[in-house]
Amino acid sequence: DTGVSQNPRHKITKRGQNVTFRCDPISEHNRLYWYRQTLGQGPEFLTYFQNEAQLEKSRLLSDRFSAERPKGSFSTLEIQRTEQGDSAMYLCASSPVGSGNTIYFGEGSWLTVV
Amino acid sequence: ILNVEQSPQSLHVQEGDSTNFTCSFPSSNFYALHWYRWETAKSPEALFVMTLNGDEKKKGRISATLNTKEGYSYLYIKGSQPEDSATYLCALEGDTPLVFGKGTRLSVIA
Repeated sequence: DTGVSQNPRHKITKRGQNVTFRCDPISEHNRLYWYRQTLGQGPEFLTYFQNEAQLEKSRLLSDRFSAERPKGSFSTLEIQRTEQGDSAMYLCASSPVGSGNTIYFGEGSWLTVV
Repeated sequence: ILNVEQSPQSLHVQEGDSTNFTCSFPSSNFYALHWYRWETAKSPEALFVMTLNGDEKKKGRISATLNTKEGYSYLYIKGSQPEDSATYLCALEGDTPLVFGKGTRLSVIA
């Protein structure tokens, strides 16, 4: 397995457009996480799944943000009606269930809203 | 709510110097503390997962300690090399997934 895979790696979009990012986790991992990282800050938690169940979504930044993991494998993060403030790196990570396990990150998807 | 502070924010050292930085947290109410190294254009790389007070972990020239009673973890790099240049992130794993600090940006000058 090659690790957590994210695409696209870079996306430039016009304000008001919708964008979708995809994450393919490590295949045996039940948990999948989405984070956002902006300049000078650490990664900020957005949401996570255990298999197909979304266990926490209150940290999604607004109702323009949504995430799915329909079959418990890959996940998508969609941002509707993008704003310039959405420009950031969106990171995906995965891990086995349980505390104290290593959580593995992808390389991230850069979003620039112009 | 978990809170994580890292210091210093950035650090410049000469090749061969040893260095250390701090992750501090006001509450020990978490399951594990994670250290990551994040190089530009790469994914954050997991270094250590620490769960017990007094934990010490080592990976090559890098080591870490955890003191939950006094609320800190130290990351040490012995004999820094240019390839150690990266941002080092500390994160706490509690009832919600990882809560990160802002990181320490290390630059090792050859």
